[in-house]
Amino acid sequence: AQSVTQLDSHVSVSEGTPVLLRCNYSSSYSPSLFWYVQHPNKGLQLLLKYTSAATLVKGINGFEAEFKKSETSFHLTKPSAHMSDAAEYFCVVSSNNAGNMLTFGGGTRLMVKP
Amino acid sequence: KAGVTQTPRYLIKTRGQQVTLSCSPISGHRSVSWYQQTPGQGLQFLFEYFSETQRNKGNFPGRFSGRQFSNSRSEMNVSTLELGDSALYLCASSSRVRRANTGELFFGEGSRLTVL
Repeated sequence: AQSVTQLDSHVSVSEGTPVLLRCNYSSSYSPSLFWYVQHPNKGLQLLLKYTSAATLVKGINGFEAEFKKSETSFHLTKPSAHMSDAAEYFCVVSSNNAGNMLTFGGGTRLMVKP
Repeated sequence: KAGVTQTPRYLIKTRGQQVTLSCSPISGHRSVSWYQQTPGQGLQFLFEYFSETQRNKGNFPGRFSGRQFSNSRSEMNVSTLELGDSALYLCASSSRVRRANTGELFFGEGSRLTVL
């Protein structure tokens, strides 16, 4: 069984300040971990992916995430928020034998203030 | 390259009716997955198809069904609609089905179903 917990349902930052979206996972197998972003009235877009290579993963639009096995965490960060980053972010886990059956966290809505 | 296309984008049905949603994957993608998104339950996996075969199925009642055609297009059907079926139904396609490369999905914009 696998599960994902996103620790904050809403995060508000000012433009130009750092972003931290927190995610903890649970998986019986060596997991693959992802962050997806959903802008209003849009489908989801893959930001980045971890699959047991480097523990620090760089994604699109300046986002990165660090896999910490000891803490079962996969937090998403960005050094400087931009207004266009306002969206909902989903932490996702998949086990290697699950194909494209993904387990999503509850989502974190990121608000960026000018 | 055209993205994942879902039709219809919006629809309204009444309880007891049935609905069919369609998904055209990105050209060359043979895996199609369906997800249900609701405010209460979040994003939940419905099923995945590859080469016209269902590979995985989520924990949904038998009223939810799907299929995939030889051109990789997929449909999902919900029969005997209930109020709780109101949701955004998202389709995603992938070219990757090997173990180490799964999870990289390209999503459509969804079909928003309202059941009255």
